[in-house]
Amino acid sequence: EPEVTQTPSHQVTQMGQEVILRCVPISNHLYFYWYRQILGQKVEFLVSFYNNEISEKSEIFDDQFSVERPDGSNFTLKIRSTKLEDSAMYFCASSLAGGETQYFGPGTRLLVL
Amino acid sequence: GESVGLHLPTLSVQEGDNSIINCAYSNSASDYFIWYKQESGKGPQFIIDIRSNMDKRQGQRVTVLLNKTVKHLSLQIAATQPGDSAVYFCAENQRGYNKLIFGAGTRLAVHP
Repeated sequence: EPEVTQTPSHQVTQMGQEVILRCVPISNHLYFYWYRQILGQKVEFLVSFYNNEISEKSEIFDDQFSVERPDGSNFTLKIRSTKLEDSAMYFCASSLAGGETQYFGPGTRLLVL
Repeated sequence: GESVGLHLPTLSVQEGDNSIINCAYSNSASDYFIWYKQESGKGPQFIIDIRSNMDKRQGQRVTVLLNKTVKHLSLQIAATQPGDSAVYFCAENQRGYNKLIFGAGTRLAVHP
């Protein structure tokens, strides 16, 4: 069964450093998403991406964040200058179409020191 | 407002019993609802979904009920097994928007 994959599984970084989280969505899916989950809290939407552009973003997704589909398979989330409060699990998801079931990857645990 | 915190409501059941997990959603314009299961250290795993033109949908051992009048969603798990132990989230989506809005989650603990 096809699945969303994410790398790395864990990332530790110093405050102010840039990080790039990587995702490979399900191959025939057209919509891609990033969510985050701070420890013990609910999953929060960050951004959705379709046809090589952002289709929707939350207020969390400020200028420090960016997304890119650098090739035909990868989807990345970049945090330019990490803050302590960026520490969270970051989940990538994909769906065949908008408003369809979103399938999640296993997540990247980001720890900012 | 949104509820945040480290303490999830917990449902404890005996193995073999039926479980019912409830969720209240906030947006009356939401028309697509999904239940996800999240095991420790893993991503949300799709269980079952339902659209607003239905009030019941069944899968294998799971049933989702939707009551639009009171904006309530429930997940029923039949013959609960230890492998069902996880945190369960409901999520809602409004037509025309891509984002899912997740609920706070319920921890299901299954005891042998």
